[in-house]
Amino acid sequence: GEDVEQSLFLSVREGDSSVINCTYTDSSSTYLYWYKQEPGAGLQLLTYIFSNMDMKQDQRLTVLLNKKDKHLSLRIADTQTGDSAIYFCAESNSPGGYQKVTFGTGTKLQVIP
Amino acid sequence: DTAVSQTPKYLVTQMGNDKSIKCEQNLGHDTMYWYKQDSKKFLKIMFSYNNKELIINETVPNRFSPKSPDKAHLNLHINSLELGDSAVYFCASSQAYSDSPAPYEQYFGPGTRLTVT
Repeated sequence: GEDVEQSLFLSVREGDSSVINCTYTDSSSTYLYWYKQEPGAGLQLLTYIFSNMDMKQDQRLTVLLNKKDKHLSLRIADTQTGDSAIYFCAESNSPGGYQKVTFGTGTKLQVIP
Repeated sequence: DTAVSQTPKYLVTQMGNDKSIKCEQNLGHDTMYWYKQDSKKFLKIMFSYNNKELIINETVPNRFSPKSPDKAHLNLHINSLELGDSAVYFCASSQAYSDSPAPYEQYFGPGTRLTVT
């Protein structure tokens, strides 16, 4: 089955860039996503990228996709304390029209003031 | 205006009891999900319902039974609660069926923290 792996923890200083990495196994993924989970809350979609793209930029967020290596990364520029959260990558494909999503293990980002 | 709501937010109960968690979405989505998040924050899908029909049923003890009275509701009933059931349970919804591949977002509820003592 599909497998999505992330490192568990990342600590950065406020103002630095953060890079969160993710690897996946499903070569038929059509979209890849980054979700953010703040303490005590559910997950919220941050951004997504189509599998035939290799980069997407959205304000402070840059998503890089290396489809050959099945590697996805999320770069947060000028990291703020409000960015402290757990970040989940996810991939989806659509067998038979039904879009199935698999979430990664989550990376806890700690931003030090 | 809450998109996906769950009740209760906290649930403390004793081993052996039976409990239910309710979920409602007002987004008009066709698919609803239950996830379990353990103490290490790993998120595991338990069930998925599309238009009241069970689509995904991962390896979950049969003490867990989802019930979908209509498209907007998916409840989770748990019998004979065990200590290992302690976790945060998230309901989510999405528009999962599409004629062509499209990005889709899962909308999560705020979670129900279940503590079994």
